[in-house]
Amino acid sequence: KAGVTQTPRYLIKTRGQQVTLSCSPISGHRSVSWYQQTPGQGLQFLFEYFSETQRNKGNFPGRFSGRQFSNSRSEMNVSTLELGDSALYLCASRRGLGNEQFFGPGTRLTVL
Amino acid sequence: QQQVKQSPQSLIVQKGGISIINCAYENTAFDYFPWYQQFPGKGPALLIAIRPDVSEKKEGRFTISFNKSAKQFSLHIMDSQPGDSATYFCAARPEADKLIFGTGTRLQVFP
Repeated sequence: KAGVTQTPRYLIKTRGQQVTLSCSPISGHRSVSWYQQTPGQGLQFLFEYFSETQRNKGNFPGRFSGRQFSNSRSEMNVSTLELGDSALYLCASRRGLGNEQFFGPGTRLTVL
Repeated sequence: QQQVKQSPQSLIVQKGGISIINCAYENTAFDYFPWYQQFPGKGPALLIAIRPDVSEKKEGRFTISFNKSAKQFSLHIMDSQPGDSATYFCAARPEADKLIFGTGTRLQVFP
């Protein structure tokens, strides 16, 4: 069974640009969550989607947004990039809301 | 209330020794406690998880000990190996809600 896949794996952007990251969950998983990981702040929850609906949101500014498609694939968008947005962005999927969560390899975003 | 406190921040263990990482929480609504292992350049991988109705769970060399009254849980790695060198995260979650992660422990196992 294929794991969670994320594309692209690496991304370099400049301040003010916007970026879209993609996540394909494990087949049969309907929930996708996004996390930001930085050395200083650790793993911080961004948001979770279940059956195309956002059901949970972390404490991030509105520049961070996401969506989920009918095939459970999810995208995350960050607009007006700032230097502090440089991080590893992780996507995790689970079958249902009470199940174990499995992470993808992440997208390393560098903002110059 | 939503925090999970993890210690130590880093740990150095000799090969064959026991590695112990501790976590504490406040929110009694947490009912699922996983541990994740992360290697450099990779996403966290689920290692072992426990629910509060048991006090211990063992899978191979990895054991979770859970103390519900003290609101603490710990990961024990027996016979630690150099290949166990990674960052370990504890986490906790209320029913069907988002995972709250600890700050991570960087484990180094020397031969």
